[in-house]
Amino acid sequence: DAMVIQNPRYQVTQFGKPVTLSCSQTLNHNVMYWYQQKSSQAPKLLFHYYDKDFNNEADTPDNFQSRRPNTSFCFLDIRSPGLGDAAMYLCATSRGEGTYNEQFFGPGTRLTVL
Amino acid sequence: GDSVTQMEGPVTLSEEAFLTINCTYTATGYPSLFWYVQYPGEGLQLLLKATKADDKGSNKGFEATYRKETTSFHLEKGSVQVSDSAVYFCALAANAGGTSYGKLTFGQGTILTVHP
Repeated sequence: DAMVIQNPRYQVTQFGKPVTLSCSQTLNHNVMYWYQQKSSQAPKLLFHYYDKDFNNEADTPDNFQSRRPNTSFCFLDIRSPGLGDAAMYLCATSRGEGTYNEQFFGPGTRLTVL
Repeated sequence: GDSVTQMEGPVTLSEEAFLTINCTYTATGYPSLFWYVQYPGEGLQLLLKATKADDKGSNKGFEATYRKETTSFHLEKGSVQVSDSAVYFCALAANAGGTSYGKLTFGQGTILTVHP
């Protein structure tokens, strides 16, 4: 089945130690998104790629970076994780950027910062 | 800016009860509206959507109608099951700056628990 895959499902890192989260998709979608979801809160968009064009949300901290080496893969890099970065990180894809385009979500990576 | 407001939860129902989860929105232009469901330990799944006023989205017995006059998109189901226990998010995708853009703005989520 076509899907959005996130690895790992659970990630533990230490305060200040860089960490990378991975997302891959078999849907061949143009757009890939990264969301941060803190406990009992709504997902918050960090950034998205339309093909290779990167679009950062205005309030996304500089500590968060992303790479998309090809259509299938997208990475979220947290350069110096703080305790406040502990959250579920959701990757999503869509065929295009139109408002009618459904976003398909992966299962998420739960990040713990010690 | 754009915003979505959902009724506060948690909502606890008995099996076969009627469900309503209220959702209202604020947006410029003509947004598309969505309901997503998140089961424990999983990502979000699209439940239903409506892309213009008076459209009704429906799936798995759930329905929601896009009401522009009341800026609402309430989720309903006539008879809930234990398997419907999950977190439900209302969301909108609005045009930004005159260009078509699929950014989702979510409500805070409503926890639904259905007891046998």
